Amino acid sequence: AQSVTQLGSHVSVSEGALVLLRCNYSSSVPPYLFWYVQYPNQGLQLLLKYTTGATLVKGINGFEAEFKKSETSFHLTKPSAHMSDAAEYFCAVIDNYGQNFVFGPGTRLSVLP
Amino acid sequence: GAGVSQTPSNKVTEKGKYVELRCDPISGHTALYWYRQSLGQGPEFLIYFQGTGAADDSGLPNDRFFAVRPEGSVSTLKIQRTERGDSAVYLCASSLSLGNEQFFGPGTRLTVL
Repeated sequence: AQSVTQLGSHVSVSEGALVLLRCNYSSSVPPYLFWYVQYPNQGLQLLLKYTTGATLVKGINGFEAEFKKSETSFHLTKPSAHMSDAAEYFCAVIDNYGQNFVFGPGTRLSVLP
Repeated sequence: GAGVSQTPSNKVTEKGKYVELRCDPISGHTALYWYRQSLGQGPEFLIYFQGTGAADDSGLPNDRFFAVRPEGSVSTLKIQRTERGDSAVYLCASSLSLGNEQFFGPGTRLTVL
């Protein structure tokens, strides 16, 4: 069975500071990995995904994530936080058979002026 | 183009009543997923369809929950004898096929009094 953990249910950063949201997964088969963002009162929106190939993945709004198989991690980063980045972020994993889609519990990002 | 739509956006019902939640996926998407999201948690997988058939319903919590997708497009999630613990946001997502990016609808907020 697959699982996803996100260290830190709430992360606060200052505007302009580095954003680092952690995601670790467990999977018995090569995974596909996703980061979704959920703004208040809105639906989930895909930020970026890793399926195969280059392990550093770039997404929308300046976010990127790196798949590290040895660490079973897929941490999300952004060099400089903006106030508009305040939202809930979810890491998710699916096995490469297209089944067992599992979301992490989420990390709420606050950006302080 | 049109995204995933869900109706109603809000549903308030009394304990013991029957409810139906509707999902209109993106046209041409063969895979359709239902999730449940409780406050402060990540989406919890319920069921997914590949075409008309339920490929995996292992996430349905009990036999009060049932979902159909008779023509391979619109899906309805049905909950019988609702309980207060069923209160949550029910999310629907669709993708071109299993394993591809999922596009989420805005959700239906169900409140059972």
